[in-house]
Amino acid sequence: AQSVTQLGSHVSVSEGALVLLRCNYSSSVPPYLFWYVQYPNQGLQLLLKYTSAATLVKGINGFEAEFKKSETSFHLTKPSAHMSDAAEYFCAVSEPFPGAQKLVFGQGTRLTINP
Amino acid sequence: DSGVTQTPKHLITATGQRVTLRCSPRSGDLSVYWYQQSLDQGLQFLIQYYNGEERAKGNILERFSAQQFPDLHSELNLSSLELGDSALYFCASSVDHLGNTIYFGEGSWLTVV
Repeated sequence: AQSVTQLGSHVSVSEGALVLLRCNYSSSVPPYLFWYVQYPNQGLQLLLKYTSAATLVKGINGFEAEFKKSETSFHLTKPSAHMSDAAEYFCAVSEPFPGAQKLVFGQGTRLTINP
Repeated sequence: DSGVTQTPKHLITATGQRVTLRCSPRSGDLSVYWYQQSLDQGLQFLIQYYNGEERAKGNILERFSAQQFPDLHSELNLSSLELGDSALYFCASSVDHLGNTIYFGEGSWLTVV
């Protein structure tokens, strides 16, 4: 069965500092991996996705993530945090099962940016 | 704006009642998904439809049911509501069911009192 573990329910960084949000997954087959962001009182917005192409994936708003099969990880990074990055971030895994797609989400990491 | 439209945005109802949540997918999307987000369970997949047919089922209670209509809109029916059903219910859609980007609506907040 698929599962996702996000290390750290809360992460706080200073504006301009590196953002690192950790995600480890478990899957019996090569997975698809996603990062979504949820701003207050809004829906989920896709930041980036890995679907077995390049292992370093670039997304919107300067975020990127690297798929590391040996570590079963898909950590999200941004070189320089901006105040507008404050939100909740969700890592998700999906097994490419024919005929169906089910995203399994982690518990989320709330990112706070300090001025 | 993801293009996925959900109504109502907020709903307050009493225990034992029944409600229907409605979702219009993005234009051209054939798959519709329903997710529940609650404080204790997090984000959980409920069910997926593809072009009117049920394709995948998650942790959906027997008191809940869903369907996708010929015009591709979907409804999630929640009955015999309990306090624990209070949550944010998301609808999402994608072009097909094979790893394409899944776009989420803004959700329907359900409060059961």
